[in-house]
Amino acid sequence: GNSVTQMEGPVTLSEEAFLTINCTYTATGYPSLFWYVQYPGEGLQLLLKATKADDKGSNKGFEATYRKETTSFHLEKGSVQVSDSAVYFCALSDLSGTYKYIFGTGTRLKVLA
Amino acid sequence: EAGVAQSPRYKIIEKRQSVAFWCNPISGHATLYWYQQILGQGPKLLIQFQNNGVVDDSQLPKDRFSAERLKGVDSTLKIQPAKLEDSAVYLCASSFGDRANTGELFFGEGSRLTVL
Repeated sequence: GNSVTQMEGPVTLSEEAFLTINCTYTATGYPSLFWYVQYPGEGLQLLLKATKADDKGSNKGFEATYRKETTSFHLEKGSVQVSDSAVYFCALSDLSGTYKYIFGTGTRLKVLA
Repeated sequence: EAGVAQSPRYKIIEKRQSVAFWCNPISGHATLYWYQQILGQGPKLLIQFQNNGVVDDSQLPKDRFSAERLKGVDSTLKIQPAKLEDSAVYLCASSFGDRANTGELFFGEGSRLTVL
């Protein structure tokens, strides 16, 4: 079945450091890929998405590229801020079928001032 | 625009007791999801509704969990009897489903259950 694997946390960085959170997936067909973020005390919210191979999703300085050849969707940001401290979830979904979403285990990011 | 509403936010019960969680999705969203999020893990789908029909309940422990979505709008998730391992945050999410689907799930703030 479909699955998502993401790097374990926590990840602790200093402000303005470069961020990479790895995500790989296993899927039949051509899923859409997502990054969701959960800030402390809040619900999950969509950060960015990509619906086909080679697409790049971007939002709030974060980027991720849909790499079919490596089945990856790594999240990157060039310069993190303290306000980026949150838990980040990689997810996939079949948007042309059942609309079932599968989430990774989440990676906690802590950014220090 | 109102978001996904869930209640209660917190609930503490003894094992073998029952509990119910309520969710009101965003207006017009045909698809409603209940997820279980255990501490340190990602959300796990319990049940998915399309309007008032069940699309997927393969991971719902049906001997103790039940869910309904009457009239295709709000939904209730019930646990009876509760076990210690049911301690988790229960997340409700909604989306347009197969109409005007942007790929985005909208989540409520969750209902945190502690079973003692």
